[in-house]
Parts: sequence; structure tokens; C-alpha cells
Amino acid sequence: AQTVTQSQPEMSVQEAETVTLSCTYDTSENNYYLFWYKQPPSRQMILVIRQEAYKQQNATENRFSVNFQKAAKSFSLKISDSQLGDTAMYFCAFMKEGNTPLVFGKGTRLSVIA
Amino acid sequence: EPEVTQTPSHQVTQMGQEVILRCVPISNHLYFYWYRQILGQKVEFLVSFYNNEISEKSEIFDDQFSVERPDGSNFTLKIRSTKLEDSAMYFCASRRQVLTGELFFGEGSRLTVL
Repeated sequence: AQTVTQSQPEMSVQEAETVTLSCTYDTSENNYYLFWYKQPPSRQMILVIRQEAYKQQNATENRFSVNFQKAAKSFSLKISDSQLGDTAMYFCAFMKEGNTPLVFGKGTRLSVIA
Repeated sequence: EPEVTQTPSHQVTQMGQEVILRCVPISNHLYFYWYRQILGQKVEFLVSFYNNEISEKSEIFDDQFSVERPDGSNFTLKIRSTKLEDSAMYFCASRRQVLTGELFFGEGSRLTVL
């Protein structure tokens, strides 16, 4: 079974600074997808960024980028120029190919401080 | 922008009562999911649904749970006889096809069992 581990329950960062959230996972699959979801106080989970395991290039979406290390099974999220609106719970998630469920980590609560 | 909608946003019920949580997935999506998040814990997969039948279910999804898509638009989760430990946030999600990987989540329905 796949597992996803987020070792940082809470983090804080000053506005405009950069923060990195850690995520490791365990799988025997070769092809899979990795995601970071953001869950603000409004509750809805919003996709921040995704990475296909077969792609060596790290995914980027504006201020958000990942450091995907397939051999190490590591998938960290870097948020640059942090904004107050980035305050949320961030979940790392794993999914095998096909119609398979997402497996989530326990989440990291990020607070951006003015 | 199309979105997944869920009702009710919050329901309080007595232990032993039946509860139905409703979801309207994005209209051209084919795969549907229910997840649950107990307060302060990680998001857990309950069930996936495709082509009018359950594709996969977790250990949590026991005989007390059922899902159906009664009219081609709604996707419901029924809990027949609620227990205290069913108190959680329930998220519905959908996606158009398995290859894209991305799930779109609703805002969740908070269930409180007294």
C-alpha cells in the first residue's frame, strides 16, 4: 500500500519570504502522479500543483514549484514570495495510474505572517 | 468556472439516524469519489464510482455506507445508522478521465453526530 508522509505539522513564514514543505512517499509503482492540494479555511481543497512521475522536470506554477526526487521518493513544495492568502493546510497526495484513489498525507498547516 | 457542489454544508444528527449527503459533480465528469476528514486528521478515501457502480472502496466504507447516482447529476452518500465516529467532513470529488489525474473537490459537508 502507498503511504504519504508530511513530517511538518505546522510551519510559518514571513510574508514575501520563501518556504518549503516536505513530503515523502512510499510506493513500488513506477508510474504515478503526485499532487499538492491547498485547503484554506473555506474548506474546499484546491489543486496547487501536480507532477507526473515519468517527467524528470520539476513542475512549476507561478510562485509554486516542486522538488521531485524520484529515487528518494521525495516531493517537496516551495512557495516563493509568500502571501497572506497562502495561509492554509497543504496536503501532499499520491495516486497510481488508472482509476485509483488519492492517498493523502496528514497535512502541513502553513501560516503566513505579515 | 464549473465546480463540484455539496449539500448540506453542515448537518447535525442524532446517533442512529440516517444521513444523506449530496453532491453535484462537474457535468462532464465520469468518475466520482467520496473522501472523509475527521477533525485534525488526514483526508481518507471512502469510495469511487464509475459507470453507475462502485469501482473501489476502503475499509471505512462498510455496510452502513452506500452511494448512488439517482438521476445522472446528483451523487449521494448515505449513512444508514450514524455513529459518533462518523462525525467528520465529507468531501465529494470528481474528474473527467483517469489520464488527467486531477480531482476537483467540493467544499465539503460537515457531519456532526451527537
